[in-house]
Amino acid sequence: DGGITQSPKYLFRKEGQNVTLSCEQNLNHDAMYWYRQDPGQGLRLIYYSQIVNDFQKGDIAEGYSVSREKKESFPLTVTSAQKNPTAFYLCASTTGGASNDGYTFGSGTRLTVV
Amino acid sequence: KNEVEQSPQNLTAQEGEFITINCSYSVGISALHWLQQHPGGGIVSLFMLSSGKKKHGRLIATINIQEKHSSLHITASHPRDSAVYICALDNTDKLIFGTGTRLQVFP
Repeated sequence: DGGITQSPKYLFRKEGQNVTLSCEQNLNHDAMYWYRQDPGQGLRLIYYSQIVNDFQKGDIAEGYSVSREKKESFPLTVTSAQKNPTAFYLCASTTGGASNDGYTFGSGTRLTVV
Repeated sequence: KNEVEQSPQNLTAQEGEFITINCSYSVGISALHWLQQHPGGGIVSLFMLSSGKKKHGRLIATINIQEKHSSLHITASHPRDSAVYICALDNTDKLIFGTGTRLQVFP
């Protein structure tokens, strides 16, 4: 079955360390997205990519970086520059453009920085 | 003012009750999504609407573009419907999310 795989489900890191969250999809979707969720707030867009080797900053990109070397993969790196990295991170994908038929979401990664 | 507002924030119901969750918005959209988030965090897309009404099993979603309002209805609610329901606006190349409605259905 097609879908999005995010790993790991839970991640603990020490303050000051960079950490990379994985997002893989086998849906042949062109567009991929990273969102952050904090308690009591709606999901906020960190980065998105509509095509391989291209990506754009979302609303809260500071302290994060991404790459899109393959259509299937859109890893997110939480750098030490991110002031408050503890959060729930969700990856999503869609066909994109005018043919957008809805979004598919991963199961998320809960990152805790201690 | 937030671009998307959901109500109520929290909702409790007895099994079998009819549930309505509302979403109002203030921006132009190409579509509106209703999403379901379970306690583990994963999100499932329930509906994508650009006009009218859609039905899937016990779930019904409606949208009124002129009034910038959408509703999600659950008929014959069940404890397994307990989740957070999120309204999201499809605005060009990104989604704008509501803060969600937390629904608890008791047996």
